[in-house]
Amino acid sequence: EPEVTQTPSHQVTQMGQEVILRCVPISNHLYFYWYRQILGQKVEFLVSFYNNEISEKSEIFDDQFSVERPDGSNFTLKIRSTKLEDSAMYFCASSQTTEAFFGQGTRLTVV
Amino acid sequence: AQSVTQLDSHVSVSEGTPVLLRCNYSSSYSPSLFWYVQHPNKGLQLLLKYTSAATLVKGINGFEAEFKKSETSFHLTKPSAHMSDAAEYFCVVINSGGSNYKLTFGKGTLLTVNP
Repeated sequence: EPEVTQTPSHQVTQMGQEVILRCVPISNHLYFYWYRQILGQKVEFLVSFYNNEISEKSEIFDDQFSVERPDGSNFTLKIRSTKLEDSAMYFCASSQTTEAFFGQGTRLTVV
Repeated sequence: AQSVTQLDSHVSVSEGTPVLLRCNYSSSYSPSLFWYVQHPNKGLQLLLKYTSAATLVKGINGFEAEFKKSETSFHLTKPSAHMSDAAEYFCVVINSGGSNYKLTFGKGTLLTVNP
């Protein structure tokens, strides 16, 4: 069964460093998303991507964040100058239409 | 904008007894609703979805949910809980339109199953 894969599963980084979270969506999907879940809180939408551009972004997704689809398979989330409050589980998802398939998540810890 | 409210942050049941996880939605038109499950240290897995077809939706692992427009509810049920059902459950609504199908999550309900 096709699945969304995310790497790494865990990432520890020092405050102020840049991190890149990687995702391989399901191959025939058209819509791509990043969500995050801070420990103990609900899952929050960050950004959606369609037709090689951002289609919607939340207030959380400020200039510190960027997304790319550098080739036909990968979908990355870059966080520049990480802060302690960026520590969270980050989920990538992809969909053809309404049903989104999620990856296992990357747990980011900023120290 | 559409939203969902999960009425219980934590539900505890005994193995073999029924499960009820409550969710109410707010929408100006007929929504698409989902339940996702998250087991410890795992990703989000789709349990079931309602997309304006049959109001009683059956999902995986014996779960089902009924869409009730008059009550704006989409409660998740299972007749008999199993230990493996212990997880966090999220009620989710789609905000579709334009060029994406953004999901809005409820705060989640942690289900504990006691032996």
